Amino acid sequence: GAVVSQHPSWVICKSGTSVKIECRSLDFQATTMFWYRQFPKQSLMLMATSNEGSKATYEQGVEKDKFLINHASLTLSTLTVTSAHPEDSSFYICSVLKGGSGAYEQYFGPGTRLTVT
Amino acid sequence: AQKITQTQPGMFVQEKEAVTLDCTYDTSDPSYGLFWYKQPSSGEMIFLIYQGSYDQQNATEGRYSLNFQKARKSANLVISASQLGDSAMYFCAMREGVRGKLIFGQGTELSVKP
Repeated sequence: GAVVSQHPSWVICKSGTSVKIECRSLDFQATTMFWYRQFPKQSLMLMATSNEGSKATYEQGVEKDKFLINHASLTLSTLTVTSAHPEDSSFYICSVLKGGSGAYEQYFGPGTRLTVT
Repeated sequence: AQKITQTQPGMFVQEKEAVTLDCTYDTSDPSYGLFWYKQPSSGEMIFLIYQGSYDQQNATEGRYSLNFQKARKSANLVISASQLGDSAMYFCAMREGVRGKLIFGQGTELSVKP
């Protein structure tokens, strides 16, 4: 079964509004979660690393005030796209790192397709 | 800084034949992991295979094998006996250390022809 869930799977919003995307680890507690962004026919670009109980670490060029990340519990991280604009339309994928395990145990959510009109 | 490169934007292969997808990487960390993922049109990321930098043997998982050439810093994916369902985007990825960031290559779109 699925190890990581995302909600919603797709969302359409109007320009200027905010959208929250949830990422849940279903099978284990995750101290570290990652948020990726993917434009059509392109690669996954890491946006930020989300650590439970502390501030997220953003990649260079990613606006932390625009993409708010909250990792409030060991099973939930949220990404809020604030004041969304059409250029924020993209596929957002979260990923969960299984704590204390080998390097290969990273699981991906099914993704959220955001369209800003 | 870590870097991962896939130079083949698209590849075609005949059904039942083998295909090799190229991946090169660069890192100064002696401990790293290399991954291959498949992304069908649905968007989900499907883990295929993993190779650790200290692994002596090439990784294999069913029809997938990873041709790891450490000195050349390459980690090519070989898919044997291609199937129509193999048509998808394929991404090579690398992580430095155990809990480092997973960084992806540009991807290769594989099309399997009947």
